Amino acid sequence: AQSVTQPDIHITVSEGASLELRCNYSYGATPYLFWYVQSPGQGLQLLLKYFSGDTLVQGIKGFEAEFKRSQSSFNLRKPSVHWSDAAEYFCAVGYSGNTPLVFGKGTRLSVIA
Amino acid sequence: DAGVIQSPRHEVTEMGQEVTLRCKPISGHNSLFWYRQTMMRGLELLIYFNNNVPIDDSGMPEDRFSAKMPNASFSTLKIQPSEPRDSAVYFCASSLSQGAFGTQYFGPGTRLLVL
Repeated sequence: AQSVTQPDIHITVSEGASLELRCNYSYGATPYLFWYVQSPGQGLQLLLKYFSGDTLVQGIKGFEAEFKRSQSSFNLRKPSVHWSDAAEYFCAVGYSGNTPLVFGKGTRLSVIA
Repeated sequence: DAGVIQSPRHEVTEMGQEVTLRCKPISGHNSLFWYRQTMMRGLELLIYFNNNVPIDDSGMPEDRFSAKMPNASFSTLKIQPSEPRDSAVYFCASSLSQGAFGTQYFGPGTRLLVL
């Protein structure tokens, strides 16, 4: 069965520091991978997605993610975190046009001064 | 575009009462999803529709939950009777695809509290 694992429930980083949020997926087929962000009190918003091609994808708000097939990973990165990046981040995976996305449990990011 | 619209944004009700949550998807989107989010269970897919037809409702927790999509611009999620354990944030999302090819656009959610 399809599954997504976000190993870190909560991460705290200092403002200006770099960030990496981990995401691992199961299943052998080529996945379609997504990162969403949920700010407090709001719905989820798409940050970026990977369908094919270049394994390093750029998203909004200065985020990027790298697909590594050998590690079944799609980690999200940002070189310098801003206080406004404090939110919950969800990784999601899909495999076809007929089955819906599977979301991870989310990683909550706190940013300290 | 107004995005996905959900109403009400907040709902407080007493156990045993009927609750109806509403969703207006983005115009032109043919797939609609209902999710529930809690601290304990995270984000759960309850049901999704494609072209107004329910495709998979295996995530609906109990018979107390029902969802309809009478037309392409409106969907409801009903809980009857409601129980305290139904307290959660309920999200509606819409997409051009029921699967991986379409980005899901989420509404702001309905925060439900059942006393």
